[in-house]
Amino acid sequence: NAGVMQNPRHLVRRRGQEARLRCSPMKGHSHVYWYRQLPEEGLKFMVYLQKENIIDESGMPKERFSAEFPKEGPSILRIQQVVRGDSAAYFCASSRGEKLFFGSGTQLSVL
Amino acid sequence: SQQGEEDPQALSIQEGENATMNCSYKTSINNLQWYRQNSGRGLVHLILIRSNEREKHSGRLRVTLDTSKKSSSLLITASRAADTASYFCATDAGGNTNAGKSTFGDGTTLTVKP
Repeated sequence: NAGVMQNPRHLVRRRGQEARLRCSPMKGHSHVYWYRQLPEEGLKFMVYLQKENIIDESGMPKERFSAEFPKEGPSILRIQQVVRGDSAAYFCASSRGEKLFFGSGTQLSVL
Repeated sequence: SQQGEEDPQALSIQEGENATMNCSYKTSINNLQWYRQNSGRGLVHLILIRSNEREKHSGRLRVTLDTSKKSSSLLITASRAADTASYFCATDAGGNTNAGKSTFGDGTTLTVKP
């Protein structure tokens, strides 16, 4: 069981470009959560998805951000027209019961 | 202050000493969880304590929960250099059946000197 897999580990984008972050949950898990972590801060919930459905996106900015979890393949967090303020670590987690299992994150740097 | 707020923000101790971190929260909860994060890595689940529990142990970890004070503490006994990490508490609010939508504090950074 490979655990929650995220890629890339590091992503550098220039302002205005698009960022695509991928997450494959643990085998057998069908729930995926995305969190954002700014330096020296805790994780902030962004969005909760099940296969082909967005269950809760209350923590996701209304513009430029979108997420999907297709029937086949990884979950994708997409950030369009990135700005410097989007620079952060983005973590994905999948759940079994009440426990969350986190990936190693994608560090997004916007130049 | 925010839900799931830890203190101190930073703690530095010698190997072998005990480390105590505290977490306060504002709203009613179903459970409270502690996580550990090594630098540049994801969070690792340490321990879950339910709202009807007062104390829980796991190896060198001891967690207490006081719902009347809306606070929890994490004690790491006989600390090791490998315990150096950031520790976060996360609350799962009462009535919230979405386990992943926990609210995390800003963490306590623990440094254990060899």
